[in-house]
Amino acid sequence: GIQVEQSPPDLILQEGANSTLRCNFSDSVNNLQWFHQNPWGQLINLFYIPSGTKQNGRLSATTVATERYSLLYISSSQTTDSGVYFCAVSSLSGANSKLTFGKGITLSVRP
Amino acid sequence: EPEVTQTPSHQVTQMGQEVILRCVPISNHLYFYWYRQILGQKVEFLVSFYNNEISEKSEIFDDQFSVERPDGSNFTLKIRSTKLEDSAMYFCASTRGRGNTEAFFGQGTRLTVV
Repeated sequence: GIQVEQSPPDLILQEGANSTLRCNFSDSVNNLQWFHQNPWGQLINLFYIPSGTKQNGRLSATTVATERYSLLYISSSQTTDSGVYFCAVSSLSGANSKLTFGKGITLSVRP
Repeated sequence: EPEVTQTPSHQVTQMGQEVILRCVPISNHLYFYWYRQILGQKVEFLVSFYNNEISEKSEIFDDQFSVERPDGSNFTLKIRSTKLEDSAMYFCASTRGRGNTEAFFGQGTRLTVV
């Protein structure tokens, strides 16, 4: 099946810093989503971005489907950005739209 | 905004007991999913459901698991005889279609087997 690799596994930032989180995948996809898992365990949907670029406030994401990667940018980070960020993809060759998740990136933003 | 809702948010059960986790997908969605996340690990696909039958299941989804859409709105995951290793966060999700379509997740049910 499709493989999803996220990097770096852990990231520590000072409040106000910018960061880039990366997601590589091994096959063509028809869906890519970025999630933030909050301290209560809920998956917060950040972006649905199978291709192209989107922005939402301090967050933006870019997916280059032909090169099989996606980037999540966090600017002017805040302590509330802390948590685990997951990339999840659905393979173009898959029978349905099940998502395969990466292992996640644990972000800690220090005041 | 429409959302996927799950109940209960947290359930504690004795080993060997049956549990039913409930989900209400978004009303015009046709594909439904269950995922599992063991504490500290990644989210894993369990099963997908379409047109009142399982369309795909993972190797995790063995005979102790079953899914059902008992009426027009609910989608349930039943674990027949819970084991300690079933302790996890269970997420329900739904999509409008197949392929290039966004998945919407519920807030999860944290299952603790003691």
